[in-house]
Amino acid sequence: AQKITQTQPGMFVQEKEAVTLDCTYDTSDPSYGLFWYKQPSSGEMIFLIYQGSYDQQNATEGRYSLNFQKARKSANLVISASQLGDSAMYFCAMREGPGANNLFFGTGTRLTVIP
Amino acid sequence: NAGVTQTPKFRVLKTGQSMTLLCAQDMNHEYMYWYRQDPGMGLRLIHYSVGEGTTAKGEVPDGYNVSRLKKQNFLLGLESAAPSQTSVYFCASTRTGGFRQFFGPGTRLTVL
Repeated sequence: AQKITQTQPGMFVQEKEAVTLDCTYDTSDPSYGLFWYKQPSSGEMIFLIYQGSYDQQNATEGRYSLNFQKARKSANLVISASQLGDSAMYFCAMREGPGANNLFFGTGTRLTVIP
Repeated sequence: NAGVTQTPKFRVLKTGQSMTLLCAQDMNHEYMYWYRQDPGMGLRLIHYSVGEGTTAKGEVPDGYNVSRLKKQNFLLGLESAAPSQTSVYFCASTRTGGFRQFFGPGTRLTVL
């Protein structure tokens, strides 16, 4: 079974609008962490946001927030006030187990921001 | 701080040739990783290291070897390259107790 599933190969959003990128995960370990990375066309991997399984509140970093629904095993990324520079691939990833740092990645969602 | 650097940035090999990819980090991180990224897929872990002199297999280790002789360097070797190893290779590092992985810029490898 896939550990991370991203079901949206591509998404479009109007500039200045909000967009939600979906991510579901599969683990039986009570200790895990969820990440979102951005990969622009230049190719580098840019860390956006992190949510630990024991964190009580949803993580936020500027215009990025993570909608963490533990019972549904979902960790959706919300980008508010989209900008043209947000056009990129977005990857959801998970580390599994306490002290583990290995990451399992989803297949990504390509976001295109329309002017 | 340069962060995580990778050498080379691009390489073209013929089937059967060998090469070594170098990853270097200047953040004194204990953990280092090698991933590969294929079209339409996310990154997959090849090998990783939890400290100098240690290495372990990841999800897709076949056809690769690694070494961590110095804390700041993590080498990925292809002994006999195959077209299936055409990919973009990313190195990453993180500190003990940390959660965020810092990625290098990637190496685009083509095997003909």
